[in-house]
Amino acid sequence: KAGVTQTPRYLIKTRGQQVTLSCSPISGHRSVSWYQQTPGQGLQFLFEYFSETQRNKGNFPGRFSGRQFSNSRSEMNVSTLELGDSALYLCASSSAPNYGYTFGSGTRLTVV
Amino acid sequence: AQKITQTQPGMFVQEKEAVTLDCTYDTSDPSYGLFWYKQPSSGEMIFLIYQGSYDQQNATEGRYSLNFQKARKSANLVISASQLGDSAMYFCAMRDYTGNQFYFGTGTSLTVIP
Repeated sequence: KAGVTQTPRYLIKTRGQQVTLSCSPISGHRSVSWYQQTPGQGLQFLFEYFSETQRNKGNFPGRFSGRQFSNSRSEMNVSTLELGDSALYLCASSSAPNYGYTFGSGTRLTVV
Repeated sequence: AQKITQTQPGMFVQEKEAVTLDCTYDTSDPSYGLFWYKQPSSGEMIFLIYQGSYDQQNATEGRYSLNFQKARKSANLVISASQLGDSAMYFCAMRDYTGNQFYFGTGTSLTVIP
């Protein structure tokens, strides 16, 4: 059974650009959530989707957005990148929102 | 306010010994879930163990057990018979079912010494 797949693994962008990260959940999982991990702030919840609907959103500015498709794949978009957006972005999927999550390997974004 | 507190930034343990990683949590929701994840240097978060707030018994998964003390709001992870491959960051997390959010602690870096 394939795990959670995140692409790309590494990304370098310049300030002001925008970026789209992709997450393919485990087959059959309908809940996908996103997290930002930085050395200073640790792991922070970004948002969660279930059946194409955003169920919850963390405390991040509107530059961070996401969506989920009918096949449960999810994308996260960050516009007008700032240096502080450099982080490891983790995606996790679950069969249902109120249960344990399986994480992907993450996308390491570097903003220069 | 911190929802999850891990007070041990770093821990060392001798191979084959047991080690306890501390975690305390804060919630007023009667329904919640507690999780432990392992993050090796590769970055992937690996699910280890889950404890529901209504579970009567402590959760166990192989060499991992969760020492759940509800009144004290603690959910310590016990790793028995440590192995070199256990060296990693360990995160305690809580799923708050009312607020519907996932909260993570700051992590404990475990190093297993041969």
